[in-house]
Amino acid sequence: DAGITQSPRYKITETGRQVTLMCHQTWSHSYMFWYRQDLGHGLRLIYYSAAADITDKGEVPDGYVVSRSKTENFPLTLESATRSQTSVYFCASTGEYNEQFFGPGTRLTVL
Amino acid sequence: DAKTTQPPSMDCAEGRAANLPCNHSTISGNEYVYWYRQIHSQGPQYIIHGLKNNETNEMASLIITEDRKSSTLILPHATLRDTAVYYCIVISNFGNEKLTFGTGTRLTIIP
Repeated sequence: DAGITQSPRYKITETGRQVTLMCHQTWSHSYMFWYRQDLGHGLRLIYYSAAADITDKGEVPDGYVVSRSKTENFPLTLESATRSQTSVYFCASTGEYNEQFFGPGTRLTVL
Repeated sequence: DAKTTQPPSMDCAEGRAANLPCNHSTISGNEYVYWYRQIHSQGPQYIIHGLKNNETNEMASLIITEDRKSSTLILPHATLRDTAVYYCIVISNFGNEKLTFGTGTRLTIIP
C-alpha cells in the first residue's frame, strides 16, 4: 500500500519490557518524525531523521532509541518501557512542500 | 515559530461553507501558513498551505490577508466527516521543522 503505515496499531506491554514501533513510508521522503500525543497535550516530537543514518533528538527523547538504516523505515524503540510512555505514537514524513503526512498511529499501553 | 490564535470551537451546518479563522500577527517573511486537521482517533491530516497568495485544492481554500497577519480556511461544502480539530501552523519551509500544534479549533458539523 502506498503511503505511511505503522505497526502494530495497538500494543499492551509491561513495565521494563523493550518495545519497537515500526514506521514505513513508500514515498522515499527524506525527513521522518516520531511524535507522541497524550490527553491534554499536543504533539510532542521524540526524534526525527533527515535521511538514512541521520537522526536527531526532539523535545522528549529520553527513554527512546531510533534507527534509520533504510530511507523507508524509521523504527522507534522503547528500551525499557515505563507507564509514563503510555501514549499514542505517530510517525510522519515530509513531502515536497514541507507538508507532513502522518501514519494512523500506534496506541501503546504500558502496565 | 510564530504564534497562532484560533477560536476554540465552531459549529457549521452540513452543506454550508465552514470558515475557520487564524491570527498570526507575528509571522515573518519566510514563514508559510499550514493547515492540518485531526479527526478523532486518527493521525493528523495535511490540508493546505500558502505563503501570501490564496490557495485552493480538492479539500479546501486558504485565504491569506494582504498583510499576512491572518488567514481563513474554507471548507466549501462541509460534511459530517469534516468534524475534527483544525490546526493553523506557521513555519518556515524547511524539511526539518517539527510541528507544534496548539489547541486548534474544534469544528462540529451539524446535520
